[in-house]
Amino acid sequence: KAGVTQTPRYLIKTRGQQVTLSCSPISGHRSVSWYQQTPGQGLQFLFEYFSETQRNKGNFPGRFSGRQFSNSRSEMNVSTLELGDSALYLCASSLDPAANNEQFFGPGTRLTVL
Amino acid sequence: AQKVTQAQTEISVVEKEDVTLDCVYETRDTTYYLFWYKQPPSGELVFLIRRNSFDEQNEISGRYSWNFQKSTSSFNFTITASQVVDSAVYFCALSEAPERVTNAGKSTFGDGTTLTVKP
Repeated sequence: KAGVTQTPRYLIKTRGQQVTLSCSPISGHRSVSWYQQTPGQGLQFLFEYFSETQRNKGNFPGRFSGRQFSNSRSEMNVSTLELGDSALYLCASSLDPAANNEQFFGPGTRLTVL
Repeated sequence: AQKVTQAQTEISVVEKEDVTLDCVYETRDTTYYLFWYKQPPSGELVFLIRRNSFDEQNEISGRYSWNFQKSTSSFNFTITASQVVDSAVYFCALSEAPERVTNAGKSTFGDGTTLTVKP
């Protein structure tokens, strides 16, 4: 079974631009969660999608948004990029974490904002 | 509010030494899950263990063992006879009442402990 895939793996953008990251969960998994990892703030929860619906959201500004498609693939978008958005963005796939299923993480997308 | 504290920022040991990584958590929920993940330099979080709040049994998996004590809100991780391949950042995480939809998919992570095992 293929694992969680994230594309692209590396990305360089400049301040003010926007970026879209993609996450393909494990086949059959319907939940995708997104996390931001920075040296200063550590791993922080962004949001979770299940069956195309956002069920849970972390404490991030509205510049951070996401969506999930009918095939469970998810995208997250960051608009008006700031230097502080430079981070490793991880997505996690699960059958349904609300049913106590465990999460499997992808390799991450490393975003650098110049 | 939930919180996970990993007081040890960095640990360095010599191969074959035993090492314990500490994790202390805070939560108001009676139902919760605790996790340990390993993050090698490649960045991917590798799941090691999940323990629910109602199961205080210690667990052993090969060279890895975990000690869960609700009385002290701790969930410590021990690597026996460490190896160079164990070098990584280790994260402890907490998921509160995951059956509550508003908690769905959310885990609170500690700041991680960087373990270096020298040959």
